[in-house]
Amino acid sequence: ILNVEQSPQSLHVQEGDSTNFTCSFPSSNFYALHWYRWETAKSPEALFVMTLNGDEKKKGRISATLNTKEGYSYLYIKGSQPEDSATYLCASLMEYGNKLVFGAGTILRVKS
Amino acid sequence: NAGVMQNPRHLVRRRGQEARLRCSPMKGHSHVYWYRQLPEEGLKFMVYLQKENIIDESGMPKERFSAEFPKEGPSILRIQQVVRGDSAAYFCASSPGQVSGNTIYFGEGSWLTVV
Repeated sequence: ILNVEQSPQSLHVQEGDSTNFTCSFPSSNFYALHWYRWETAKSPEALFVMTLNGDEKKKGRISATLNTKEGYSYLYIKGSQPEDSATYLCASLMEYGNKLVFGAGTILRVKS
Repeated sequence: NAGVMQNPRHLVRRRGQEARLRCSPMKGHSHVYWYRQLPEEGLKFMVYLQKENIIDESGMPKERFSAEFPKEGPSILRIQQVVRGDSAAYFCASSPGQVSGNTIYFGEGSWLTVV
């Protein structure tokens, strides 16, 4: 069984705080790691697709890193804003095919 | 460029009826995926299709569930003789090519309630 684990399950921060959360995945047979942002009643929105060990990607105040040897990825949000409140999902492609295995997500709530 | 379109957004069926969920991928996308989110659970892969072909249906229940992506028209996820346990949100996604190098784009989901 291939498990993708995300922690913490939920997070409450104040506006302006920087925060980060973790995605852990089996490091064998790794092909790609996807991050999504999912607001209630909307479709999951793609943030990053990462494939190489040591990859770092950035989109505005959000960035992500990837360590394929130890099987983890971090997502960072700098200066959180209320509009960052959402569920952040990661998904791993563990074999060449098209079946993404999703974690349960981290729920972020940013208070103003 | 419209995103992935799913309909209906909400569907109520009585036990034993059939449910049909439709998904129109983004323009130019020939790869379609269906995922299911059961209450209190994450997104679970069901099936991956390319035009007229099922590529991977390893996540589909063996009975009552089927999926197709015809040459013309939307992809359809069909659930026959629905039971209460089928109540879930069903998400469709599409991509222009293989997942490893490509983002997949999700629709807003179809919520099935079985009463």
